[in-house]
Amino acid sequence: GEDVEQSLFLSVREGDSSVINCTYTDSSSTYLYWYKQEPGAGLQLLTYIFSNMDMKQDQRLTVLLNKKDKHLSLRIADTQTGDSAIYFCAETFGGSASKIIFGSGTRLSIRP
Amino acid sequence: DAGVIQSPRHEVTEMGQEVTLRCKPISGHDYLFWYRQTMMRGLELLIYFNNNVPIDDSGMPEDRFSAKMPNASFSTLKIQPSEPRDSAVYFCASSFNRKSEKLFFGSGTQLSVL
Repeated sequence: GEDVEQSLFLSVREGDSSVINCTYTDSSSTYLYWYKQEPGAGLQLLTYIFSNMDMKQDQRLTVLLNKKDKHLSLRIADTQTGDSAIYFCAETFGGSASKIIFGSGTRLSIRP
Repeated sequence: DAGVIQSPRHEVTEMGQEVTLRCKPISGHDYLFWYRQTMMRGLELLIYFNNNVPIDDSGMPEDRFSAKMPNASFSTLKIQPSEPRDSAVYFCASSFNRKSEKLFFGSGTQLSVL
């Protein structure tokens, strides 16, 4: 079945790195995504990775993909207060490029 | 482009009333999605359209829910009759094509059914 799992909460100190983890079930996923949702807003695509890649870096963001373990992670370097949000992992399900399944979201809070 | 536009932003209604949520996708996007977000169930895909045609409505919870896309620039999600358990944030999203599937979300409609 389709399932994307994430831990619900993460708290980090300002300036530290945040690592948000995700596991997924569909090995035929072609894309895996990280979306960010700020309070009162819709989800916004942060970054995505092709399934044939192991890593993607985009400024403070690093995405790591372990296909064998079906594990995806998002690392945010030098976490700032503006990074406080809910982060959703998502995958394309069933090899279909048109059905995206989201995890439950990880709420990231920043301590001063 | 103004992005995906949803209306209303907030809707408060009484149990048994009909509710209609509206969405205008980004011009040129071929795919339109309706999601529902609740604390208990997270983000659920209700239905999606390709070129105005419903492709997968397996996420629609029951017959009280219906969705239409009469043209490329407009879609509605209707709940009739509404129930308190329908209270949630409903998001519309659109995407350009199959390859990248980057979804662009609207700001959502916060629905409260009393």
